[in-house]
Amino acid sequence: AQSVTQLGSHVSVSEGALVLLRCNYSSSVPPYLFWYVQYPNQGLQLLLKYTTGATLVKGINGFEAEFKKSETSFHLTKPSAHMSDAAEYFCAVSVRTGNQFYFGTGTSLTVIP
Amino acid sequence: DSGVTQTPKHLITATGQRVTLRCSPRSGDLSVYWYQQSLDQGLQFLIQYYNGEERAKGNILERFSAQQFPDLHSELNLSSLELGDSALYFCASSPGQVNTEAFFGQGTRLTVV
Repeated sequence: AQSVTQLGSHVSVSEGALVLLRCNYSSSVPPYLFWYVQYPNQGLQLLLKYTTGATLVKGINGFEAEFKKSETSFHLTKPSAHMSDAAEYFCAVSVRTGNQFYFGTGTSLTVIP
Repeated sequence: DSGVTQTPKHLITATGQRVTLRCSPRSGDLSVYWYQQSLDQGLQFLIQYYNGEERAKGNILERFSAQQFPDLHSELNLSSLELGDSALYFCASSPGQVNTEAFFGQGTRLTVV
């Protein structure tokens, strides 16, 4: 079975500062990993994904994440936070032979002007 | 716009009633997933259909049921509604059975009073 742990349900950063949202996963088989963003009253939008290949993946809006198998982590980063980045972020895991995505509990990002 | 359409956007109903939520997947996507999002439970996987057949079941109550029709749209039926069923219900779709990416609709906000 797969699971996801997101450390920190709330993260606050200043505008222009580094954004780091943490995600650790558990999977007995090679995982597919995802970050989704949810703006208020909106659905989930895919930020980026890792399936195979390069472990550093770049997504939309300047976000990137690195798959580290040895640490079972897939942390999301952005060098410089923008006010428009304020949202809820979800890490998710699935596997090639699976039928569902397992989501973390989400991290609410606040950007302070 | 993800291409996944959910109707209605909002629904208010009384306890004990039955409602039907509708989802139209992206054009060409064969898999449909239903998720429930509540403040205390986070994003919970309910059920997946692939090309009309049930593929996976998650934390779906017996009072809830779903189906996928030949035109690939899906309906989630919730009956004998309780206050605790109030939540956001998301539909997502993906091209195949393999979870390389899922596209989410905007959700249906159900309020049970």
